[in-house]
Amino acid sequence: NAGVTQTPKFRVLKTGQSMTLLCAQDMNHEYMYWYRQDPGMGLRLIHYSVGEGTTAKGEVPDGYNVSRLKKQNFLLGLESAAPSQTSVYFCASGLLAGHTDTQYFGPGTRLTVL
Amino acid sequence: QQQVKQSPQSLIVQKGGISIINCAYENTAFDYFPWYQQFPGKGPALLIAIRPDVSEKKEGRFTISFNKSAKQFSLHIMDSQPGDSATYFCAASLWMDSSYKLIFGSGTRLLVRP
Repeated sequence: NAGVTQTPKFRVLKTGQSMTLLCAQDMNHEYMYWYRQDPGMGLRLIHYSVGEGTTAKGEVPDGYNVSRLKKQNFLLGLESAAPSQTSVYFCASGLLAGHTDTQYFGPGTRLTVL
Repeated sequence: QQQVKQSPQSLIVQKGGISIINCAYENTAFDYFPWYQQFPGKGPALLIAIRPDVSEKKEGRFTISFNKSAKQFSLHIMDSQPGDSATYFCAASLWMDSSYKLIFGSGTRLLVRP
């Protein structure tokens, strides 16, 4: 099993450009999450999904959109990139919504917006 | 109230020493406290976790101490090894908006010197 994979690994964008980050998991997990990681700020939840066809806002959703058309995929879109969106983005998945559920993280996408 | 405060931001320990990372929270609705370990270039991975009805949990060289009355918990790494050099995140689980969320601390970068 590949676990959680993310595409691409690195990307440089110019301000105003758009892009989509792809997350895929092969563990049949219901829950999927997008986080951003910034120095000194830990991991902050952008959007999440509790199942195929559902999405919800997290702590820092502004400037991002998501879609979960298939259970195994969770896409994060930036419609008009801004320098403040320079960050490392992590996708995670989990089997259940239980409070003891482990979240499994992908390797991350490092995004730079110039 | 949903914050988890983590300290120190960075930590340098000699091989064989004890590494201690502390976290504090305010919201008594948090009901599960995992620690995630992240190596450079990788996504975070669950290291060890504790429920609030337990005061201590030990797994090998890693121990979580939990003080419910003080709303604090800490990670102790005994006999620290260079291979333990990583960033450590404490987290707390909270039921919010119809699902459980993980609230992460800001992270501690640990360097274990040979």
